[in-house]
Amino acid sequence: NAGVTQTPKFRVLKTGQSMTLLCAQDMNHEYMYWYRQDPGMGLRLIHYSVGEGTTAKGEVPDGYNVSRLKKQNFLLGLESAAPSQTSVYFCASSWGQGTDTQYFGPGTRLTVL
Amino acid sequence: AQSVAQPEDQVNVAEGNPLTVKCTYSVSGNPYLFWYVQYPNRGLQFLLKYITGDNLVKGSYGFEAEFNKSQTSFHLKKPSALVSDSALYFCAVRPFSGAGSYQLTFGKGTKLSVIP
Repeated sequence: NAGVTQTPKFRVLKTGQSMTLLCAQDMNHEYMYWYRQDPGMGLRLIHYSVGEGTTAKGEVPDGYNVSRLKKQNFLLGLESAAPSQTSVYFCASSWGQGTDTQYFGPGTRLTVL
Repeated sequence: AQSVAQPEDQVNVAEGNPLTVKCTYSVSGNPYLFWYVQYPNRGLQFLLKYITGDNLVKGSYGFEAEFNKSQTSFHLKKPSALVSDSALYFCAVRPFSGAGSYQLTFGKGTKLSVIP
């Protein structure tokens, strides 16, 4: 039982390049989330999904797209990377909302030059 | 919209002394409250949560938190700090219902340093 895994762990992009971050969970969770963590700002929600085939915007969705084609996977895409997207990205999953605990992946450190 | 304040960027405590990491929140209606810990270069790990009932919640690694509705606070505590407790601690809130109930809102984090 690996929990929540993220690929890749590190990535350096040039401005304007695109990339996809992959999140996978093996806990059969319905809900999945993408956060970004910046120094002194805590974690901010980018997008989330309440089930296979669904996505919704979070607090800071601009510049990102997501897809949830399979229940266990949640992809985060950057179509044209900008230096402001330099951050650490965390994926999380949970059974549902409310009282349910979110379980986090190890993170992806992205640098955009 | 809900919000969380962690008023201290850093807390220093001597090993063996009690520790407190402060958290206050703002939310419409009843809150669900969480504490997470992050060790360097790692993801967040769940420590404990308050749902309802007893205001004192016990969690992992000897941590506990006290919910105070009148002061809208959820401070994290431990009776005796260990050097291995040194990490970044996040408080988070989620409303019981409504549009924001999908979203877990985090504080900015408090860096705890336990001095040997």
